[in-house]
Amino acid sequence: DAGITQSPRHKVTETGTPVTLRCHQTENHRYMYWYRQDPGHGLRLIHYSYGVKDTDKGEVSDGYSVSRSKTEDFLLTLESATSSQTSVYFCAIRSDRGDTMYNSPLHFGNGTRLTVT
Amino acid sequence: DAKTTQPPSMDCAEGRAANLPCNHSTISGNEYVYWYRQIHSQGPQYIIHGLKNNETNEMASLIITEDRKSSTLILPHATLRDTAVYYCIAFGNEKLTFGTGTRLTIIP
Repeated sequence: DAGITQSPRHKVTETGTPVTLRCHQTENHRYMYWYRQDPGHGLRLIHYSYGVKDTDKGEVSDGYSVSRSKTEDFLLTLESATSSQTSVYFCAIRSDRGDTMYNSPLHFGNGTRLTVT
Repeated sequence: DAKTTQPPSMDCAEGRAANLPCNHSTISGNEYVYWYRQIHSQGPQYIIHGLKNNETNEMASLIITEDRKSSTLILPHATLRDTAVYYCIAFGNEKLTFGTGTRLTIIP
């Protein structure tokens, strides 16, 4: 979908272990985002990136870090996974080719289902 | 981003037009109105967006009131595959926020 690949698609891990989720795009878009989705909360922004090595926090960034060393890859790391981080994680990308900054939509990947036991 | 308000659920008969309302009374001048939908546990799918003019594409039409305080997404001929959760979002900074949306059920 829209040239976005999330890996892995499913992962089960134990509390306290580090976990890295990968988002790869083939669109060469500037903006990339990580969201989590939980029942009753809709989608909530974790972190986003507006270029290589340029990232910023979203509304639920505690316990997560991100890195973007290449345009095409945006990594989300849980340094020490907790059960509260059991969720579905979605990556999204957005171009900056609209005539104004927000006149271009986000396109989402198919998600990574993470279970922390 | 401005807060949006949507009904939690709606039903629509197959083949009829589905009209999904959204209130965004605090929207600011530079915020676009976006609509997405999510089917089962798939990633959200972009539908349409607009600033102040009505918009139409192959999926839907977007009607924005003149004061921009509300909008309506129209699916002209709903099919069973349109059953999904629909999100209305006012987007004007990077922290795009999704609410809990409207669960639309298409009735055969």
